[in-house]
Amino acid sequence: GAVVSQHPSWVICKSGTSVKIECRSLDFQATTMFWYRQFPKQSLMLMATSNEGSKATYEQGVEKDKFLINHASLTLSTLTVTSAHPEDSSFYICSAKRTGGGYTFGSGTRLTVV
Amino acid sequence: GQQLNQSPQSMFIQEGEDVSMNCTSSSIFNTWLWYKQDPGEGPVLLIALYKAGELTSNGRLTAQFGITRKDSFLNISASIPSDVGIYFCAGHSGGGADGLTFGKGTHLIIQP
Repeated sequence: GAVVSQHPSWVICKSGTSVKIECRSLDFQATTMFWYRQFPKQSLMLMATSNEGSKATYEQGVEKDKFLINHASLTLSTLTVTSAHPEDSSFYICSAKRTGGGYTFGSGTRLTVV
Repeated sequence: GQQLNQSPQSMFIQEGEDVSMNCTSSSIFNTWLWYKQDPGEGPVLLIALYKAGELTSNGRLTAQFGITRKDSFLNISASIPSDVGIYFCAGHSGGGADGLTFGKGTHLIIQP
């Protein structure tokens, strides 16, 4: 149990376009999901906390207008990278918090902006 | 913000050897977690620690939550080739909506 599905696993897009990444909790409901970014050979850095039915909370230095988060249901959060640029190329990972504690991570999305 | 200092950054060991890595923090965490990440994948939880002083095992893995709540270690006994990967400690300071703070990772390389 406690599976988080993240899609797509990789995407290549042109500079200036937008990309949407989905994160689904398959067998549990997640009122809170988290989005992390990981650059090569570095650690995971929390970008934002996604709350079902309310606005996301962004970490300091993360542009909320660039990284749009929507958590419209208890099993789905989406991250849209708007007007992507090469410096946005990274590994994006979502995580869902389970009732009673515990964090399950998705398998990540490798974004390459060319 | 909070930071976790994880060491060592990398380890080169022989198969069968024991491994030890640790994380320290300047601030208190209420939960310590240890994850393993394979290339191109998300982190997978190995051990979760919820109480200061707690010592927990998961097969060949053992982890402890430091008494001060500012540190934790992970030991792997009798390493095998599939233990290769990057190990991350992560801390949670409390509150229902807080995400995790991750250490910089320990890259484990095993020589057969």
